[in-house]
Amino acid sequence: DVQMTQSPSYLAASPGESVSISCKASKSISNNLAWYQEKPGKANKLLIHSGSTLQSGTPSRFSGSGSGTDFTLTIRSLEFEDFAVYYCQQYNEYPPTFGGGTKLELK
Amino acid sequence: QVNLLQSRAALVKPGASVKLSCKASGYTFTDYYIHWVKQSHGKSLEWIGYINPNSGYTNYNEKFKSKATLTVDKSTNTAYMELSRLTSEDSATYYCTREGDYGGYYFDYWGQGVMVTVSS
Repeated sequence: DVQMTQSPSYLAASPGESVSISCKASKSISNNLAWYQEKPGKANKLLIHSGSTLQSGTPSRFSGSGSGTDFTLTIRSLEFEDFAVYYCQQYNEYPPTFGGGTKLELK
Repeated sequence: QVNLLQSRAALVKPGASVKLSCKASGYTFTDYYIHWVKQSHGKSLEWIGYINPNSGYTNYNEKFKSKATLTVDKSTNTAYMELSRLTSEDSATYYCTREGDYGGYYFDYWGQGVMVTVSS
């Protein structure tokens, strides 16, 4: 299986700041990568697919970049609603696999 | 709007089975595959498998082939996952998800998740 490694596992930031989350695949996955947001009491939300394509409804302050093995999720000008857990997921190879998650906390 | 409504939390005894449901609404049920994902407490996510609601075709992660059975009822737009021979390792939150629009196994809508606890 393709191993997905996210870093950092925890990230503390303040509203208005910009943050980046890294996701590295154990082998090339082209651009077949998705990012999700997990918040307590809410259904997980797809933010980005195909490495950099914003899902309908995803605010433009979110962006995704990368291809091959290295990917980044960037959130510009953090808002309170962005404090959550973020997961990357590859779907280039069977079975699809997820990163370990990054918890974005309020500083 | 698309909604995937999952059944309530379940407390089951070791060795028993449990059948989880996922009722879809807001779209044509047979147009999108339904995938299931496991999240053990405090851990990341694992893909279990998917079902094509139109044909009933299923595809499983090797790890879950002898654990999970996926079915659908097209008359009620409901997908099911049965977990068998439960052990403490099966205690987790299980999500049903809808496959994304542009092909590939990514998931554009998720159910709220159902917690399964295996305990005597």
